[in-house]
Amino acid sequence: SQQGEEDPQALSIQEGENATMNCSYKTSINNLQWYRQNSGRGLVHLILIRSNEREKHSGRLRVTLDTSKKSSSLLITASRAADTASYFCATALRGSSNTGKLIFGQGTTLQVKP
Amino acid sequence: NAGVTQTPKFQVLKTGQSMTLQCAQDMNHNSMYWYRQDPGMGLRLIYYSASEGTTDKGEVPNGYNVSRLNKREFSLRLESAAPSQTSVYFCASSLPTDTQYFGPGTRLTVL
Repeated sequence: SQQGEEDPQALSIQEGENATMNCSYKTSINNLQWYRQNSGRGLVHLILIRSNEREKHSGRLRVTLDTSKKSSSLLITASRAADTASYFCATALRGSSNTGKLIFGQGTTLQVKP
Repeated sequence: NAGVTQTPKFQVLKTGQSMTLQCAQDMNHNSMYWYRQDPGMGLRLIYYSASEGTTDKGEVPNGYNVSRLNKREFSLRLESAAPSQTSVYFCASSLPTDTQYFGPGTRLTVL
């Protein structure tokens, strides 16, 4: 079964609204990463949060990590039509530090309507 | 820097044919990966290579082989393609514990 599960599977909002996506995982991690995939393209890294961090910001992105609940959330503020994409969380399991191996969730498809 | 490059971009095979997907990176990364992505799903790891000379199975290795030719190149081979291998294949590279950089993908259809 998947290490990371994302919620919701699909999200549709108006431009200017905030979008929140959640990711839950099952086993201890070194870090958790969020990626974006535009239709027909490869994944692009957005942000990495380590297991000893609780919150990270990058521009309009805010990521939180709650290791006690084994969950993370990605908040995109003041969304734009260009944010329309699929968003994936990926976890680096504890003990995999010498490989960089990640396990990806199934993703949240975000549609931002102009 | 080109980042991660993959060839070909598109390929159509008949059942039973073989082919090799090529991947190269110019970022001096130690680790390289091959994933497949099926419609509406996340990425599933096929094989990875933590360093030159080593390869390990991922979640879905059956039907595939890999070669880490040198630090830059990591190829994925389908010896006898099956329709179940119709997918989009992504190569990625990274430093250990770091972010992964993805290629543009290869869309493979097996008839």
